[in-house]
Amino acid sequence: AQSVTQPDIHITVSEGASLELRCNYSYGATPYLFWYVQSPGQGLQLLLKYFSGDTLVQGIKGFEAEFKRSQSSFNLRKPSVHWSDAAEYFCAVGASGNKLVFGAGTILRVKS
Amino acid sequence: DTEVTQTPKHLVMGMTNKKSLKCEQHMGHRAMYWYKQKAKKPPELMFVYSYEKLSINESVPSRFSPECPNSSLLNLHLHALQPEDSALYLCASSQELAGFGTDTQYFGPGTRLTVL
Repeated sequence: AQSVTQPDIHITVSEGASLELRCNYSYGATPYLFWYVQSPGQGLQLLLKYFSGDTLVQGIKGFEAEFKRSQSSFNLRKPSVHWSDAAEYFCAVGASGNKLVFGAGTILRVKS
Repeated sequence: DTEVTQTPKHLVMGMTNKKSLKCEQHMGHRAMYWYKQKAKKPPELMFVYSYEKLSINESVPSRFSPECPNSSLLNLHLHALQPEDSALYLCASSQELAGFGTDTQYFGPGTRLTVL
């Protein structure tokens, strides 16, 4: 069965600094991978997704993620973080029946 | 328009009450989902409807009763809930119920439920 691990529960980054959030997945075949962001008390917004093709995926709000099959990873990056990026970030892998299997989430704090 | 709306935004209910959560989308999507999210946890899938028929029930207790009266509307009827059912309830929709997450799910803002 598919599973997702986000090793970092919390990450604190200074405004303007670069960001990398880690995500490792477990799945035997080619995975369908997603990053969602959730602001406090809000629903989830899709940042980007990887289905196939180019392993570097561009998303909204200046985010990108790179799929590395050899490392079973799909890390999220942003070159310069803004205070408005403070939120919780969930990595997910697709499962049959269009299900999403989410990781535990990483809370991003941005300090000014 | 990629909006999923949910009402109410907040709900407080006693253990003997009956209440309903409502979710609506006007994107022409044919699959709709209910998720439960406890504090500091990821969303957990509860139910999935496809073409107004219940497709997936993730072994949810019968005190939660979903209903899909038409392709745009999804309800979650609540009865005799327990305090541990307090959570954020999220609704989502997707174009279809295809494959392995390949139909992007669009989430609503959620209903914050507190059971006293």
